[in-house]
Amino acid sequence: KNEVEQSPQNLTAQEGEFITINCSYSVGISALHWLQQHPGGGIVSLFMLSSGKKKHGRLIATINIQEKHSSLHITASHPRDSAVYICAVPPQGGSEKLVFGKGTKLTVNP
Amino acid sequence: DTGVSQDPRHKITKRGQNVTFRCDPISEHNRLYWYRQTLGQGPEFLTYFQNEAQLEKSRLLSDRFSAERPKGSFSTLEIQRTEQGDSAMYLCASSLGVLFRETQYFGPGTRLLVL
Repeated sequence: KNEVEQSPQNLTAQEGEFITINCSYSVGISALHWLQQHPGGGIVSLFMLSSGKKKHGRLIATINIQEKHSSLHITASHPRDSAVYICAVPPQGGSEKLVFGKGTKLTVNP
Repeated sequence: DTGVSQDPRHKITKRGQNVTFRCDPISEHNRLYWYRQTLGQGPEFLTYFQNEAQLEKSRLLSDRFSAERPKGSFSTLEIQRTEQGDSAMYLCASSLGVLFRETQYFGPGTRLLVL
C-alpha cells in the first residue's frame, strides 16, 4: 500500500507570500496528482506529473522520484488561493485508483 | 464547473433508509470513479468503471453499497440501510483514459447526512 503524507496540515499566510506544500509517498509511482478543493467541496485537478517540474500561472509543482517527494509552490499568494491542497498517487500494484493525502488547508489573509 | 455533475448536492436521511446518488460524467469519458470523503480526510476510493464494466471495488464498499453504470454513461451509487457512519461527501470523477496519463475531472459531490 502506498502511504501519502502531506505537510503542513494547516498553513496561514499573508497575501503575497511564497507558499510551499510538501508531499511524501512510500512506494515508487508513475505519476503524482496535485488537487485543489474549495470549501464547497468541489475538487479541481491542478497538476499530474511524473518527473521534473510543471508550471501553471502562479502554481509550480516539482517532483523528485528518487526521494519520493513532491512540492507545490504558490508564488504571490492571494486570498482566492485559500483552499485545501491534496496530493494523490497510485497504490502499489498498478491499480487504477488513487491514494490521497489528508490535504493541507491553506488560508491566505489579505 | 468541470463538466461532471452530481445529484443531489445534499441529502439528509434517517438511519435505515436507502439513498441513491447519480453522477453524470463528461460525455466522452469512458472511466468513472466514486470516492468517499469524511471531514478532515482526503478522498477514499470506492469503485471505478470502464464504460459499463465495474473493474475494481474497495473493501470500503460493503454489501450495503452498490454502484452501476448501465449504459456506460451516467452512474448511480446506492446505499441501503444507511448508518450514521455513512455520513460523508460522495465524490464522482471521470477521465478519458488511463489514470496515470489522463486528468480526472471531479463533480461537486453529494453531501450525505444520516441522522
